[in-house]
Amino acid sequence: DADVTQTPRNRITKTGKRIMLECSQTKGHDRMYWYRQDPGLGLRLIYYSFDVKDINKGEISDGYSVSRQAQAKFSLSLESAIPNQTALYFCATSDVGTNTEAFFGQGTRLTVV
Amino acid sequence: SQKIEQNSEALNIQEGKTATLTCNYTNYSPAYLQWYRQDPGRGPVFLLLIRENEKEKRKERLKVTFDTTLKQSLFHITASQPADSATYLCALVGTEGSYIPTFGRGTSLIVHP
Repeated sequence: DADVTQTPRNRITKTGKRIMLECSQTKGHDRMYWYRQDPGLGLRLIYYSFDVKDINKGEISDGYSVSRQAQAKFSLSLESAIPNQTALYFCATSDVGTNTEAFFGQGTRLTVV
Repeated sequence: SQKIEQNSEALNIQEGKTATLTCNYTNYSPAYLQWYRQDPGRGPVFLLLIRENEKEKRKERLKVTFDTTLKQSLFHITASQPADSATYLCALVGTEGSYIPTFGRGTSLIVHP
């Protein structure tokens, strides 16, 4: 089983719909992240959480919300999807500390039509 | 604001040659720098980390250098193989970003047989 699992892997939704992307991890890490990747723009941080009670906005949080249901689960919601939210979304996790790597999920390809 | 630059043009090399990828940054004092590999449609996978007080790090056919004066890291793959073809991302980690990886856009490497 993958260390970081994202569901769904692919999703097509209509403009204005609410959609939730889910992420779970088995690494036992406290830190979890949501990134968005667009061609030519690289990975940009949407939200991050350092523990269950800690939620922080990243570089591009407008139009998104998150929920940290447990140490292992971190979900990303688009309250009212718009076409420019079409992108590849990645969940990642890392351990506490200053020199540890990030572990990424397989990604969710979201298309808003 | 922080800026991380990686060559946006793909790097094409012949099998067996050494590939060298560049990561430059401004307005940042990272504690360390990471390199990741990303295959199409998949999440980034961690390769190497180098700390600010290290000049060079090696792992098998991979070598990373880090020059904090030039604000530059070089990533080398020696004896390159077609299987090395992928996008390579550098990420800065430091206090400015709460030790969350901040990624460059990545450079695509294509190794021709």
